[in-house]
Amino acid sequence: DQQVKQNSPSLSVQEGRISILNCDYTNSMFDYFLWYKKYPAEGPTFLISISSIKDKNEDGRFTVFLNKSAKHLSLHIVPSQPGDSAVYFCAASPTNSGGSNYKLTFGKGTLLTVNP
Amino acid sequence: DAGVIQSPRHEVTEMGQEVTLRCKPISGHNSLFWYRQTMMRGLELLIYFNNNVPIDDSGMPEDRFSAKMPNASFSTLKIQPSEPRDSAVYFCASTKRAGSTDTQYFGPGTRLTVL
Repeated sequence: DQQVKQNSPSLSVQEGRISILNCDYTNSMFDYFLWYKKYPAEGPTFLISISSIKDKNEDGRFTVFLNKSAKHLSLHIVPSQPGDSAVYFCAASPTNSGGSNYKLTFGKGTLLTVNP
Repeated sequence: DAGVIQSPRHEVTEMGQEVTLRCKPISGHNSLFWYRQTMMRGLELLIYFNNNVPIDDSGMPEDRFSAKMPNASFSTLKIQPSEPRDSAVYFCASTKRAGSTDTQYFGPGTRLTVL
């Protein structure tokens, strides 16, 4: 049973346009959400995160939106650049009794291709 | 600063053989994670160490898998005996502490193929 779902295996956009990557989750205990980016033959690298007390977090060209009622989050990249071409993973975790968010559950990823 | 180091980067072995994957976390990081990535299941947490002590091994698939962290700068993931279904990319990650928002830094992974 997949608790974090990325329903689009791939997405192709033109350079300069907006990329929107989507993620849905089912576990209502999740309260911390992250996006990781992965290039071939490398490990995932952290991109941006959001806590459930917020509905938006922005970092440069990257913005994550959280809709708790719909159990949905999205990553917006504006403007998209060819170097953004990578696999993007959505991840979520609950906060345990000790205040830790270590237990990440990942989606299967979306391959973003930004065409020049 | 060097990132998380994993070795070997690629491993090909035959069914029934013992496989040992190695990880050196980032210096000063107190928490270490082992993940496995497969097409079917995606990226899943196998085990989590904090200050060299295994805290959560609920993701370890079966007794054939074992992980150790003898000191703060080294961890191993061992599969004995290996099976073809263990073929996957295994990632190690570390973080300063498994606190509320500490980022997990991933190594480049070890691609394991069991024939």
